[in-house]
Amino acid sequence: DVVLTQTPPTLSATIGQSVSISCRSSQSLLHSNGNTYLHWLLQRPGQSPQLLIYLVSRLESGVPNRFSGSGSGTDFTLKISGVEAEDLGVYYCVQGTHAPYTFGAGTKLELK
Amino acid sequence: VQLVESGGGLVQPGKSLKLSCSASGFTFSSYGMHWIRQAPGKGLDWVAYISSSSGTVYADAVKGRFTISRDNAKNTLYLQLNSLKSEDTAIYYCATGFDYWGQGVMVTVSS
Repeated sequence: DVVLTQTPPTLSATIGQSVSISCRSSQSLLHSNGNTYLHWLLQRPGQSPQLLIYLVSRLESGVPNRFSGSGSGTDFTLKISGVEAEDLGVYYCVQGTHAPYTFGAGTKLELK
Repeated sequence: VQLVESGGGLVQPGKSLKLSCSASGFTFSSYGMHWIRQAPGKGLDWVAYISSSSGTVYADAVKGRFTISRDNAKNTLYLQLNSLKSEDTAIYYCATGFDYWGQGVMVTVSS
């Protein structure tokens, strides 16, 4: 099974600070169809997860453009350019290239 | 798009439970669907997937015990949970792709 390693596990940030989260895969997430099924989710406290970024770098509709995703193969990054209070919660990467599908362990973003 | 899970509750180890996910606001029959769970205080754990053509995939931890199915006429996704263990205690979410999620339903396995 594909293992996704997220770092750091916890991130402390001030409002306005830019931060990055890494997601490294145990094998390439490039599908034979040319797509890379690596997505980023945010779960706010007490809520269901919401999709932020899909297919590595595509911004989900309605998601602020301070969120961006990059990467290829086995190394991926989520960047938040200017953290806002509503961004606090746990961020997960998830891969849909290789079944069984798998999530990273999560990165908790909290206020410093 | 709306996804509403139901069927959760308290069940004894070794027993069974069937979860439902009622879908609306999109053409249910055209989409693959996932079940994903989250144990109390833990991260997300992918459980099972069913394609629009009813092909299925399972996590190793539930293979042979859980069954995902769908009824396109009723716009409903199901998860049959058999031989339940205490480690199956979690909130169970249904999701379409990973873009739309339900609110989740709690399953507690305890004697």
